Amino acid sequence: GENVEQHPSTLSVQEGDSAVIKCTYSDSASNYFPWYKQELGKGPQLIIDIRSNVGEKKDQRIAVTLNKTAKHFSLHITETQPEDSAVYFCAASSNYQLIWGAGTKLIIKP
Amino acid sequence: DAEITQSPRHKITETGRQVTLACHQTWNHNNMFWYRQDLGHGLRLIHYSYGVQDTNKGEVSDGYSVSRSNTEDLPLTLESAASSQTSVYFCASSPAGSDEQFFGPGTRLTVL
Repeated sequence: GENVEQHPSTLSVQEGDSAVIKCTYSDSASNYFPWYKQELGKGPQLIIDIRSNVGEKKDQRIAVTLNKTAKHFSLHITETQPEDSAVYFCAASSNYQLIWGAGTKLIIKP
Repeated sequence: DAEITQSPRHKITETGRQVTLACHQTWNHNNMFWYRQDLGHGLRLIHYSYGVQDTNKGEVSDGYSVSRSNTEDLPLTLESAASSQTSVYFCASSPAGSDEQFFGPGTRLTVL
């Protein structure tokens, strides 16, 4: 079955700098790769996603890139702000089931 | 507004007791999911349903059961709670044919 690895587990960046979180997956049949943000005490919320027929997608300060050959995808956050502090999860999916990475705690230092 | 709710938000129970966690969504979504979240493991799928009377086992289904008698609800039952089932449980739903899942606020369960 699918296995998703996520790195790093904790990332601390200066406010205004960029943050990059990376994930690898094992199942070449996976075709949907979402990123979720989880704030303390809340459920995860989708922030951006990408499908296997696209290499990059951008939405304001966040972007996701996908390398199908290498089976890895990354989340990029530019001009980080205090409200970006949260836990971020990547996931990989086929047939509407999500397999999740272990999460990255992003800390934005003032 | 349509939403997904979970109850209770916090529960403390004893080993061996039966526990049921409720999940209710008003979006009329066909697909519903139960996950548990533990530090270092992300979210792991327990059970899922693609419609009324449909239920399927996920990655960590042992000791859990679900039933889907209507579109709105997917209760999760722990038949005989164990300390290893102490966790935060999340319910999610998605429309038929969609990959995006919408999550409830979670239930923190402690088994003593």
